[in-house]
Amino acid sequence: NAGVTQTPKFRILKIGQSMTLQCTQDMNHNYMYWYRQDPGMGLKLIYYSVGAGITDKGEVPNGYNVSRSTTEDFPLRLELAAPSQTSVYFCASSTARDSRVHNSPLHFGNGTRLTVT
Amino acid sequence: AQKITQTQPGMFVQEKEAVTLDCTYDTSDPSYGLFWYKQPSSGEMIFLIYQGSYDQQNATEGRYSLNFQKARKSANLVISASQLGDSAMYFCAMREATDSWGKLQFGAGTQVVVTP
Repeated sequence: NAGVTQTPKFRILKIGQSMTLQCTQDMNHNYMYWYRQDPGMGLKLIYYSVGAGITDKGEVPNGYNVSRSTTEDFPLRLELAAPSQTSVYFCASSTARDSRVHNSPLHFGNGTRLTVT
Repeated sequence: AQKITQTQPGMFVQEKEAVTLDCTYDTSDPSYGLFWYKQPSSGEMIFLIYQGSYDQQNATEGRYSLNFQKARKSANLVISASQLGDSAMYFCAMREATDSWGKLQFGAGTQVVVTP
């Protein structure tokens, strides 16, 4: 059972380049999320999705775009990379709400370490 | 505004001792859930334990337990009988029931180093 798979694991970009971080999950989860983690910090939400075709901005969406054409895939696009986007990016997924409080944990991929120089 | 506060940036604990990691939270939602994650040096995020605001009992999972004090809005993680493999970053996170998108809000984390 692969869970949440992120590619690539590492990437170095030059300022102004673009790239797509790939994320796919095989658990048939409706909810998917992109977080970034800066050194020594917690995770901040970039974008999220509740299902195919439905996405919305999180806390730090500037400089990023997402799409969700299938349940499995939730790629994150970086346009015009900047040094401030140097970070570790985590994709996560979760099942739909099935109780009074949505108690399903987020299942995380292993992260993509991105450096912009 | 920061909704999850972890005031201990780093802690040292001796092997076989217990350690308590502090987490306080801020919400006006009467229904919410609290999560703890472990992030070892390899970088992956590992789910440890969950506590719901309506749960009558404090959550336990093996050597992990939650000291949940609802009135104080705190959900401290207790790791008993620490092992060298417990050395990691630990994150507290919250989900509010009014957030139908299920997002988790994370604290800044506490770095734990277990010494022999």
